[in-house]
Amino acid sequence: KQEVTQIPAALSVPEGENLVLNCSFTDSAIYNLQWFRQDPGKGLTSLLLIQSSQREQTSGRLNASLDKSSGRSTLYIAASQPGDSATYLCAARYPGGGNKLTFGTGTQLKVEL
Amino acid sequence: DTEVTQTPKHLVMGMTNKKSLKCEQHMGHRAMYWYKQKAKKPPELMFVYSYEKLSINESVPSRFSPECPNSSLLNLHLHALQPEDSALYLCASSQRIGLALDEQYFGPGTRLTVT
Repeated sequence: KQEVTQIPAALSVPEGENLVLNCSFTDSAIYNLQWFRQDPGKGLTSLLLIQSSQREQTSGRLNASLDKSSGRSTLYIAASQPGDSATYLCAARYPGGGNKLTFGTGTQLKVEL
Repeated sequence: DTEVTQTPKHLVMGMTNKKSLKCEQHMGHRAMYWYKQKAKKPPELMFVYSYEKLSINESVPSRFSPECPNSSLLNLHLHALQPEDSALYLCASSQRIGLALDEQYFGPGTRLTVT
């Protein structure tokens, strides 16, 4: 069964800290992995998409890595700001699934002043 | 422009009502999706349309009826819903099914309350 988990479920850090969010998947035969941000009651904003053949993707203060052999992806946020406070979701896409995304349970991040 | 729009933003309906949710994108995407999200849970896929044809139905009850009248529009018709159907309904689109770098873009959602 293809499962995606995110630990911890919640994280609180002081402003300015660098942090890492974790995403684990049980089936390493993924097509790609997408990281999203969701503010309360809002839709999902795509942050980064990393293809199975890639090891890293970067956008501004965000860096996503992918290690298929260990079944892990991480999202690194540099110099965190209060505006980064949101729930972060990772989602894996597998071949033959009709583009179906298997979502993790999310990490709720709070960046405090 | 990577925008997916959804209307209405909020909807309150009784169990005997019929209503529709609307989703629109103008990115030329040929795959469109409906997701349901309950509080504190990740989104759950309901339907996938590929080139205006229903490609995936994740065993969704028939009180939810999707429609894709053209490549830019996706509707979700609602009838005889139950209070447990109250949730955030999200629409998404992507370039096409099967593309390796296919990235899904989500709309802001419709918050549905069934009374």
